[in-house]
Amino acid sequence: KAGVTQTPRYLIKTRGQQVTLSCSPISGHRSVSWYQQTPGQGLQFLFEYFSETQRNKGNFPGRFSGRQFSNSRSEMNVSTLELGDSALYLCASSLDQGIGYEQYFGPGTRLTVT
Amino acid sequence: KQEVTQIPAALSVPEGENLVLNCSFTDSAIYNLQWFRQDPGKGLTSLLLIQSSQREQTSGRLNASLDKSSGRSTLYIAASQPGDSATYLCAVLAKAAGNKLTFGGGTRVLVKP
Repeated sequence: KAGVTQTPRYLIKTRGQQVTLSCSPISGHRSVSWYQQTPGQGLQFLFEYFSETQRNKGNFPGRFSGRQFSNSRSEMNVSTLELGDSALYLCASSLDQGIGYEQYFGPGTRLTVT
Repeated sequence: KQEVTQIPAALSVPEGENLVLNCSFTDSAIYNLQWFRQDPGKGLTSLLLIQSSQREQTSGRLNASLDKSSGRSTLYIAASQPGDSATYLCAVLAKAAGNKLTFGGGTRVLVKP
């Protein structure tokens, strides 16, 4: 069974631009979560989608948004990029979020904002 | 608010020595705890998942224990190898955190040949 895939793997953008990252979960998984990893803040939760609905949201500004499609694939969008948005963005999928479900992570998208 | 701490932040051991990695969390109302491995610039690889009702889980040279009452988990790696060099992260899934994983800062491990 294929793992979680994320595209693109690397991205360089300029301040003020916007970016869209994509995540394809493991087949059969319906929950997709997004995390931001930086050297200073570590891994921080962005949001979680389940059955095309945002079920949980972390403490990030409204510039960060996401969505999930009927095939469970998910995208996250960051508008008006800032230098501080440079990070590794990780996507995780699970059968469901809650009791007992293991989360599987993708390889991440490395975003560099210049 | 759930907080997860991993001490030490870095660890260096000679090959063959057993590794002991610690994780502590503040809210014992958790569903499960997961240990991950991360190689530089890569994603997270799940190592072990311990349900809140379990005391330990084992996979090959890895053994993880969970003591919910004291808010602690320990990951043991037996007979370490240079290939075990990586950052190890623990994360808890707790209702108080809104069903999202809360991560510790990680322990960076170097196994010297």
